[in-house]
Amino acid sequence: DAMVIQNPRYQVTQFGKPVTLSCSQTLNHNVMYWYQQKSSQAPKLLFHYYDKDFNNEADTPDNFQSRRPNTSFCFLDIRSPGLGDTAMYLCATSRVMGSEAFFGQGTRLTVV
Amino acid sequence: GQQLNQSPQSMFIQEGEDVSMNCTSSSIFNTWLWYKQDPGEGPVLLIALYKAGELTSNGRLTAQFGITRKDSFLNISASIPSDVGIYFCAGRRSNYKLTFGKGTLLTVNP
Repeated sequence: DAMVIQNPRYQVTQFGKPVTLSCSQTLNHNVMYWYQQKSSQAPKLLFHYYDKDFNNEADTPDNFQSRRPNTSFCFLDIRSPGLGDTAMYLCATSRVMGSEAFFGQGTRLTVV
Repeated sequence: GQQLNQSPQSMFIQEGEDVSMNCTSSSIFNTWLWYKQDPGEGPVLLIALYKAGELTSNGRLTAQFGITRKDSFLNISASIPSDVGIYFCAGRRSNYKLTFGKGTLLTVNP
């Protein structure tokens, strides 16, 4: 089945130690998004790619970076994770800007 | 910024009962999406709505895009235990960005 796949499902990292989360899609969608979801809250958009064009949300910390080497893969890099970055990180894709978004299962990141 | 008011915040119902939840906004949206999220999982798309007044069903779920384009509701009929989870509405205006409601936590007692 066509899917949005995130790896790993669970990640524990030390305070200040760089971490990379990955997302792959078999939907051949143009747009890929990264969201952060903290406990009992709605997902919050960090940034998105439309093809190779990167779009950062104004309030996304500089600590968060992203790479999209090809259509299928997108990475979220957290350069120096803080305790407040503990959250579920969700990857989503959509065919074009206005179409529905499909989410992966998420990566639960814990910073200790 | 755009705000979506989703209500109720939580619901506790008996199996077999019908459920209704809604989202309202002061802004006009072009698209309304309803998602369900189970604990520790990503949101799963339930229903997408693209036209004002549109009424769409997916099994026991029915959602409507409000005529004013500022609201949407989701109904679940004859609830079952596996309906438990958090339901999110999300609206999109003319750009790419989805604005999410704060979610409705549904608990179904067998």
